[in-house]
This record gives sequence, structure tokens and C-alpha cells, in this order.
Amino acid sequence: NAGVTQTPKFQVLKTGQSMTLQCAQDMNHEYMSWYRQDPGMGLRLIHYSVGAGITDQGEVPNGYNVSRSTTEDFPLRLLSAAPSQTSVYFCASSYASSPYGYTFGSGTRLTVV
Amino acid sequence: AQSVTQPDIHITVSEGASLELRCNYSYGATPYLFWYVQSPGQGLQLLLKYFSGDTLVQGIKGFEAEFKRSQSSFNLRKPSVHWSDAAEYFCAVGPDPYMDSNYQLIWGAGTKLIIKP
Repeated sequence: NAGVTQTPKFQVLKTGQSMTLQCAQDMNHEYMSWYRQDPGMGLRLIHYSVGAGITDQGEVPNGYNVSRSTTEDFPLRLLSAAPSQTSVYFCASSYASSPYGYTFGSGTRLTVV
Repeated sequence: AQSVTQPDIHITVSEGASLELRCNYSYGATPYLFWYVQSPGQGLQLLLKYFSGDTLVQGIKGFEAEFKRSQSSFNLRKPSVHWSDAAEYFCAVGPDPYMDSNYQLIWGAGTKLIIKP
């Protein structure tokens, strides 16, 4: 099924650990992005990419890294997890020719203890 | 400052009753407006969008929204809700992507819709 696949769905980390949240899409979308969702705050953009090899920061990039080596994959790396990074993370993608036509993944719920 | 306000954190509606979810925005340029729905444990799905033209837009699942420039509002409506409409609803605003190549959405905090049987 075409869409955006996020793994894992749930993760518990200890403070200071690192990990990578995976995001893959099979729709040949040029644009990919990562959001975090916190209660009462809606979605906030972490990083985004307009194509392979191109990434940029969003509203809340600190503590996160991304890379885009292929069109399909856009992993999000937490370098040293902190409790403030406890959140639900969503990956979204779209065609560059269809701005805002996002397809969202089902999310990764991350808890940092 | 650019912002989106959804004044109601929770709304409870009886099944079969009408629904209106409020969204107000503050935005300096011509806004592109959206409503998304998030079912429990799922990602977000686009319900409808407004770019220009007719200020009453129709979306999926029987939803509609009306853009009122004078009130800076984009309220979501449905004449008769079903139990399956229970979800969280997000309003978002962004710039004209053809005028601003760095377009990004600004999101409201969401309204959780609870359906009473």
C-alpha cells in the first residue's frame, strides 16, 4: 500500500540515549518533513527536505538531526534524548507540485525517562 | 505574529446533532487554510482546504468550512455527526506556496470531538 511508513510505533528511551526514527514513503514525493505533536500545542515542524540531499530546519530543530540520501527515506535522529523530547512524532510527505498535499504517517510515540 | 487559535479544547455533541468547530487565524498575507482530522492512534488526514474562490468549501466525510476574511475565521461544520466522527480536528494556515517557496503550515492546538450516543 502506497503511503508513509514510520517505525517504530512506540519507543522508550533513557535520558542521554540516541536513536533514529525511520520514515519511508513510496510515492516518489519530493517533500518530506518531521513534526512533533504535544498536547495543547498542535504540530510543530522539526526539519524538512525538498529533495534528496537538501534539508532545512523548522520551528524546533534543536536536539534533532536529519539527512535525505534518497527520495524515499527521511530518518530523524535524536542525538542525546531528553525528557523534553517525549512526544508523538509524525512524518509527512508531498509532491513539490502539490504544496500542502501532505500524506502523514501514523506516528511514533516516544517517551524519554 | 502569525497564529491559529482553536478556542475549544473539547466539544461534546450528541450523535445526529450539528457541529461547528471554530478556527481563527492571524496571518499577514493571503492565507491558505486547512482542516485536518486525526483519529485515535492515526496520522492526520486532510478534510478540506481553501485557497481562493467560493468561500464555502466542501470536504470529505460530509464536512464543510466557511472562510470569513472579515472575521479571520475558517469554521468547520457538519449538519449531522456520526459516532465515527469522534476524533481530534486541527486547523492550519500557510502562505501561498507559489509566492513563498519556504512555505510551512502554522497549526492550531486542536479540538477533540466527543460524540454522545
